[in-house]
Amino acid sequence: EIVMTQSPATLSVSPGERATLSCRASQSVSSNLAWYQQKPGQAPRLLIYGASTRATGIPAGVSGSGSGTEFTLTISSLQSEDFAVYYCQQYKDWPLTFGGGTKVEIK
Amino acid sequence: QVQLQESGPGLVKPSETLSLTCTVSGGSISSYYWNWIRQPPGKGLEWIAFISESGTTNYNPSLKSRVSISIDTSKNQFSLKMSSVTTADTAVYYCARFFGSGRRWLDPWGQGTLVTVSS
Repeated sequence: EIVMTQSPATLSVSPGERATLSCRASQSVSSNLAWYQQKPGQAPRLLIYGASTRATGIPAGVSGSGSGTEFTLTISSLQSEDFAVYYCQQYKDWPLTFGGGTKVEIK
Repeated sequence: QVQLQESGPGLVKPSETLSLTCTVSGGSISSYYWNWIRQPPGKGLEWIAFISESGTTNYNPSLKSRVSISIDTSKNQFSLKMSSVTTADTAVYYCARFFGSGRRWLDPWGQGTLVTVSS
C-alpha cells in the first residue's frame, strides 16, 4: 500500500496570504495525484487531479505541482471560504489511499 | 450534473451487517466506476471498494474479508454490505465516482451518511 503523508497537520494563515501544503508518497505515483477540500459537515470536493490540473470551477488561485513522490498545493491568496481541511489522494495503485489531511485555519 | 445520494440505517448493532445504497441521479450509472469511502468522526478518509457497471470489483485489503459491493443498473444504484461490524466501523460513509483506469480521482461525492455502531 502506498502511504501518503501530508504536512503540516495544521497551517495558520492570515486572510490574503499564500498557503502552501505538502504531500509525500512512500513510492512514486508519477502524476497520479488528486487534491480535495473538505469543509465541516460536507463531503470532500475535488480541486486538482493529475497533480496539476484544476477541476471544473476551481479558480486559478488554486494550483498543484509535483510528480513522483513530492507534491504541493498552493492557494495564492486565502479567502474566508478557503479555510478547510485539504487531502491528497494517490490513484497510481490499489488500494486508493489518502493523506491524513492539512487543516488550514485562520491566523 | 450527476448527483449521488447515500441511504441506509444510521444505527447498526455490533456483529451485525451494515447495508448502504447509493442512488445516482442526473446521469447513467453506465460507463463509470462507483466507490465507497468512509471517514470516522474527526479522522481521515479511507477508500473501501469500487464496482464498475459490468460488475468488476476491487476492495481495500484491510476490509476485503467483510465487505461486498454490488450494482443494480436498472435502478441506477449500487450498494455496500459490511459484515461483523464493530464500533471501529462508526463513520460517515460516502459514495463517489471515478471515470476509469488511469482516471481514478473521485468526483462527484455524495453528501455522506453517518453510520453509528452501538448496542
